[in-house]
Amino acid sequence: NAGVTQTPKFQVLKTGQSMTLQCAQDMNHNSMYWYRQDPGMGLRLIYYSASEGTTDKGEVPNGYNVSRLNKREFSLRLESAAPSQTSVYFCASSRQGEKSDTQYFGPGTRLTVL
Amino acid sequence: GNSVTQMEGPVTLSEEAFLTINCTYTATGYPSLFWYVQYPGEGLQLLLKATKADDKGSNKGFEATYRKETTSFHLEKGSVQVSDSAVYFCALSNPGGFKTIFGAGTRLFVKA
Repeated sequence: NAGVTQTPKFQVLKTGQSMTLQCAQDMNHNSMYWYRQDPGMGLRLIYYSASEGTTDKGEVPNGYNVSRLNKREFSLRLESAAPSQTSVYFCASSRQGEKSDTQYFGPGTRLTVL
Repeated sequence: GNSVTQMEGPVTLSEEAFLTINCTYTATGYPSLFWYVQYPGEGLQLLLKATKADDKGSNKGFEATYRKETTSFHLEKGSVQVSDSAVYFCALSNPGGFKTIFGAGTRLFVKA
């Protein structure tokens, strides 16, 4: 039982390049999330998927797209990377998305955009 | 809107000292409250939670009580260890559950 896995762990991009961050969970959770973590700002929600087949914007969606490929996988795409997207990205999942649900986090992807 | 405010760090303590990390919140309705911990190089993991007023969450010697009258959820531990060195995040989740709000995090250093 691996929990939530993310690839890659590290990535360096040049401004304007594109990339996709991959996330998968093996806990049969319905809800999945993408966050970014910046110093002094905690975690901010980029997009979430309440259930397979649905996605919704979070607090900071600009510059990103997501795909809920199936129940297990939720990817985050940067179409044209900008230095402001330098951050640590975390994927998370929860059972149902109810207010009492615990979120389970992956180990993170550290992205640098030059 | 909903928000979480927690004390700025870093907090530096000696081993066996008492720990308090303050957390206050603003929310509509009746949120659930959480403390998550992030060890170096890892993702966040749940430390404890409380889902209604006056509930006390506890785990690994850490405790926090959901105080609706003061809109607070302060984290405490009676005797910290070096292994408790990490970043601690207070968070709230409202009905609907998807948009969990996290505080900025408080870094704790424990010296031997």
